[in-house]
Amino acid sequence: ETGVTQSPTHLIKTRGQQVTLRCSSQSGHNTVSWYQQALGQGPQFIFQYYREEENGRGNFPPRFSGLQFPNYSSELNVNALELDDSALYLCASSLRGTSGKQTQYFGPGTRLLVL
Amino acid sequence: GNSVTQMEGPVTLSEEAFLTINCTYTATGYPSLFWYVQYPGEGLQLLLKATKADDKGSNKGFEATYRKETTSFHLEKGSVQVSDSAVYFCALSDQGNFNKFYFGSGTKLNVKP
Repeated sequence: ETGVTQSPTHLIKTRGQQVTLRCSSQSGHNTVSWYQQALGQGPQFIFQYYREEENGRGNFPPRFSGLQFPNYSSELNVNALELDDSALYLCASSLRGTSGKQTQYFGPGTRLLVL
Repeated sequence: GNSVTQMEGPVTLSEEAFLTINCTYTATGYPSLFWYVQYPGEGLQLLLKATKADDKGSNKGFEATYRKETTSFHLEKGSVQVSDSAVYFCALSDQGNFNKFYFGSGTKLNVKP
């Protein structure tokens, strides 16, 4: 148990719809990262939030957006869903300190199916 | 740029066999290195980590040594169990303020009784 929770666990949407996924960070952690894991692949970095601001982004289009709240929980929003967005979405929390070295702790993920 | 390459699976072993899963990396600077494990239908669990060259990470009988000269972080276990069956991911994180993680494609391990 990492203390990172995600909701919902599973979700089915149709192409063109919008989806919001939620993540609650481990207590004391101030940074949240989101990853997309396609079937049989490793996780791909979407973006990271620190102090409620986006702090880095991977190769994902702007229809992937996010929020981080004052309690460090986070949301991932995806607009205009495409079939290829079907994947496991993982949230990871970490504590950013002065050393610059972080360990990310992952939640169980939300499995999204786009039909 | 940063990247991680893992040996392709699946790897099938008998119980009590010796395990090695190879991982090599390309990175600028001095990354931290990690092994994560994913059981079916679950998220990733941190298995072990090493933050500088020559460090050895270990947990639950698994070990990996950060080798800067060979840019490798191979995962080993002396005697695998059926319960070790899972997908193993090697990852690196770059340093500095933006701590992005880069993952390998994963290696599936099947351990037969």
